Amino acid sequence: AQSVTQLGSHVSVSEGALVLLRCNYSSSVPPYLFWYVQYPNQGLQLLLKYTTGATLVKGINGFEAEFKKSETSFHLTKPSAHMSDAAEYFCAVTGSGNTGKLIFGQGTTLQVKP
Amino acid sequence: DTAVSQTPKYLVTQMGNDKSIKCEQNLGHDTMYWYKQDSKKFLKIMFSYNNKELIINETVPNRFSPKSPDKAHLNLHINSLELGDSAVYFCASSQEGGVGTQYFGPGTRLLVL
Repeated sequence: AQSVTQLGSHVSVSEGALVLLRCNYSSSVPPYLFWYVQYPNQGLQLLLKYTTGATLVKGINGFEAEFKKSETSFHLTKPSAHMSDAAEYFCAVTGSGNTGKLIFGQGTTLQVKP
Repeated sequence: DTAVSQTPKYLVTQMGNDKSIKCEQNLGHDTMYWYKQDSKKFLKIMFSYNNKELIINETVPNRFSPKSPDKAHLNLHINSLELGDSAVYFCASSQEGGVGTQYFGPGTRLLVL
C-alpha cells in the first residue's frame, strides 16, 4: 500500500523567508509524486510533479521539490515567501496500477506573516 | 472557459434526502474522478471513470452512485443523505491515467442537517 506523511500540519514563516514543507512517502513501486495547492474555498491546483528523470522539479510560483529516493522524501521549497503563498498544501502519490488514484497527505497550512 | 465545473457550488439539505452533484470538463480528458474532502481537509478518492467505464471504486457506501453519460461528464448521486456526508466534494479530470495532471473543479460544499 502507498501512503504519504506531511510533517507539520501548520507552518508559519515571515514574508521573504524560506518555505520548507516536508513530505515523506511510502511506495512499493516507483512513485509518481505531486504537490498541490488549495487556496481558501477553491479547488486544488498542481504546483509540480515528479514522474521520472531529473530529481529536482521546478513548479509554478517559484516552488521546487526534490525527489530523494534514499530518504523517501519529496520536500517542497521556495526561497522567499510571499503573502500570496498562504494556502493549504498537499503532497500526493499515485496508487499502484497507474490508475491515477491519488493518495494525499493530510495537508500543511502555510501562514505567511508580514 | 472553466476547465472543470461543478454544480451546485453549495448544497444544504436534510438528512434522508437524495441529491446529485454534476461535473463537466471541457479539456478533452479521458479520465474523471470524485474526491471527498472532510472537515479536517483530508482528501480521499471515491471513484474514477475512464471513457465512461468505472475503474476505481473505493470503499464508499452504496448510497453513493456515480454516473458518466459521456466522457466529459461525471455525476454523483447520493441517496438517503446522512450527517457524515457533509463535506466538500471535488471532481477532477486527467489525461494519461496515472501520470497525467489532475485538474480539479471548484468543489461542491454539501451540508446535511
